[in-house]
Amino acid sequence: EIVLTQSPATLSLSPGQRATLSCGASQRLSSSYLAWYQQKPGLAPRLLIYDVSSRATGIPDRFSGSGSGTDFTLTISRLEPEDFAVYYCQQYGSSQYTFGQGTRLEIK
Amino acid sequence: QVQLEQSGPEVKKPGASVKVSCKTSGYTFTKHGINWVRQAPGQGLEWMGWISAFNGNTNYAQKLQGRVTMTRDTSTSTAYMELRSLRSDDTAVYYCAREKYSGEFDYWGQGTLVTVSS
Repeated sequence: EIVLTQSPATLSLSPGQRATLSCGASQRLSSSYLAWYQQKPGLAPRLLIYDVSSRATGIPDRFSGSGSGTDFTLTISRLEPEDFAVYYCQQYGSSQYTFGQGTRLEIK
Repeated sequence: QVQLEQSGPEVKKPGASVKVSCKTSGYTFTKHGINWVRQAPGQGLEWMGWISAFNGNTNYAQKLQGRVTMTRDTSTSTAYMELRSLRSDDTAVYYCAREKYSGEFDYWGQGTLVTVSS
């Protein structure tokens, strides 16, 4: 099973600032099968990024994904108030999909 | 529009089984797989498995092998997840999610809370 480790566990920033969230894989991912999700309290997760860097439908361009191999990054260029939430990475390059443990993005 | 509507909350005793449904609409059911993901209270997301809506093939998380069964009914565009021999640590919100292409989940159900308690 591929283990995904997200860092930091909690990120405290202010609106307007840039957020950089990391996701490390225990093994190299085949193809570019990594996604990012945003989850707000009481709601289902929402797909932000798939295939490492493709934005899902309706996702603003302040969200971007990058990386390869075992190291991946989600960047939010200028934080809006609605961006404060928990973010998860997910790999689907192996037959056993896995999620990272999440990064909580909180308002400073 | 694409919608995934899940069945209501359940309360079960340890050792019992639960079956959660996920009724889909707004797209061709057989063209996208359905995955199940659960989230224990205050915890992260855990992938449970996948079912092909086309032919019913399944792939389960190794941790749940032998306790979980995923099925689908193409006549009603509905997917099901049954979990047996429930334990207290199965208490969670269970989500169904549509697979976009290769394992990314673009539409999710609203979640079903399953509580396991004696």
